[in-house]
Amino acid sequence: NAGVTQTPKFRVLKTGQSMTLLCAQDMNHEYMYWYRQDPGMGLRLIHYSVGEGTTAKGEVPDGYNVSRLKKQNFLLGLESAAPSQTSVYFCASRFRGIVQPQHFGDGTRLSIL
Amino acid sequence: GDSVTQMEGPVTLSEEAFLTINCTYTATGYPSLFWYVQYPGEGLQLLLKATKADDKGSNKGFEATYRKETTSFHLEKGSVQVSDSAVYFCALSDQNWNNFNKFYFGSGTKLNVKP
Repeated sequence: NAGVTQTPKFRVLKTGQSMTLLCAQDMNHEYMYWYRQDPGMGLRLIHYSVGEGTTAKGEVPDGYNVSRLKKQNFLLGLESAAPSQTSVYFCASRFRGIVQPQHFGDGTRLSIL
Repeated sequence: GDSVTQMEGPVTLSEEAFLTINCTYTATGYPSLFWYVQYPGEGLQLLLKATKADDKGSNKGFEATYRKETTSFHLEKGSVQVSDSAVYFCALSDQNWNNFNKFYFGSGTKLNVKP
């Protein structure tokens, strides 16, 4: 049981480059989330999805795009990377329902030079 | 709107000391409450949860009681170990006007346990 798997685990980009982070979950969860975590700032929600084919903006969506073409995958894209996007990115998923917790991946550490 | 407030860290304790990390919440509905733990270099892991008032969540010696009257969910452990050094996040799950489940995290409290 893999849970939530994030790919890649580490990446270094140059300013202006693009890349896609992949999140895959094998728990049949309806909801999926992308967060960024910066030192001393806790988690900030970038985008989320309540089901296949649907996405919505979180609190810090600028500079990112997402897609959820399959229920088990949630992709986060950076079209033109900026140094301010240097961060640790976490994906999470959960079942619908107030009592359901989020399950997190191990994170992707992204540096933009 | 909903929110979670937890005590600022870092909290530094000696091994075998008693731990309390305060968490209070604001919610419009009847939320579920969670504590997560994040060890260095890892993602967040669910530590415990409580889904209704007066419920007590417990795991690995940690406990937290859902207090509706004080809107609190304080994390406690009777005797901490060096291996408990981590960042602890309080969180709540609620339901908004269009029936969508929203999740809110506190800012995290770093715990350092010294031998």
